[in-house]
Amino acid sequence: AQKVTQAQTEISVVEKEDVTLDCVYETRDTTYYLFWYKQPPSGELVFLIRRNSFDEQNEISGRYSWNFQKSTSSFNFTITASQVVDSAVYFCALSEAFSNTDKLIFGTGTRLQVFP
Amino acid sequence: KAGVTQTPRYLIKTRGQQVTLSCSPISGHRSVSWYQQTPGQGLQFLFEYFSETQRNKGNFPGRFSGRQFSNSRSEMNVSTLELGDSALYLCASSSGQGGQPQHFGDGTRLSIL
Repeated sequence: AQKVTQAQTEISVVEKEDVTLDCVYETRDTTYYLFWYKQPPSGELVFLIRRNSFDEQNEISGRYSWNFQKSTSSFNFTITASQVVDSAVYFCALSEAFSNTDKLIFGTGTRLQVFP
Repeated sequence: KAGVTQTPRYLIKTRGQQVTLSCSPISGHRSVSWYQQTPGQGLQFLFEYFSETQRNKGNFPGRFSGRQFSNSRSEMNVSTLELGDSALYLCASSSGQGGQPQHFGDGTRLSIL
């Protein structure tokens, strides 16, 4: 069965600190996709990144970076020099690649609070 | 490009009533999925529609149903509402080609009294 675990329920940091959000997944598929979404207080889920299982290159986008390691089934997300606007709930999600669906299996989310 | 539009944003109903939620996907997207978000259960997949056909379904009772129209717009219906149905209902659209990013609407917050 597929499963996504985000062990950190809530993280609090002070502005400018770096913070890493952990994501561990389980799947029997050899091909799959991983995602990160941000949910600000307004409620909308905002897509941040998609990574397929064959691409283990780390990715950096501005202050955001992602570390994908198949050996440990992890897809961690780091925010460098956090800002108050980064305060939100962050979800990691998993999707099958070759099935006829875009269904996402979500982790329970990590609430990040960045204080000024 | 307009995003995913969900209406209404807020709904208050009483137990036993039924409700219909609407979702307009991003232009060109053929897949629409629905999710229920509650503090206790998190984000749970309800169902996915593609080209007017339900192609995937989550583990929810038959009181939850949906449909998709030829213009890809989708509706979700919940009958015989229960207190536990209080939740944020999120609609997402995607190209439908498998493993594609889903783009979400603002959600409909349903409260059952």
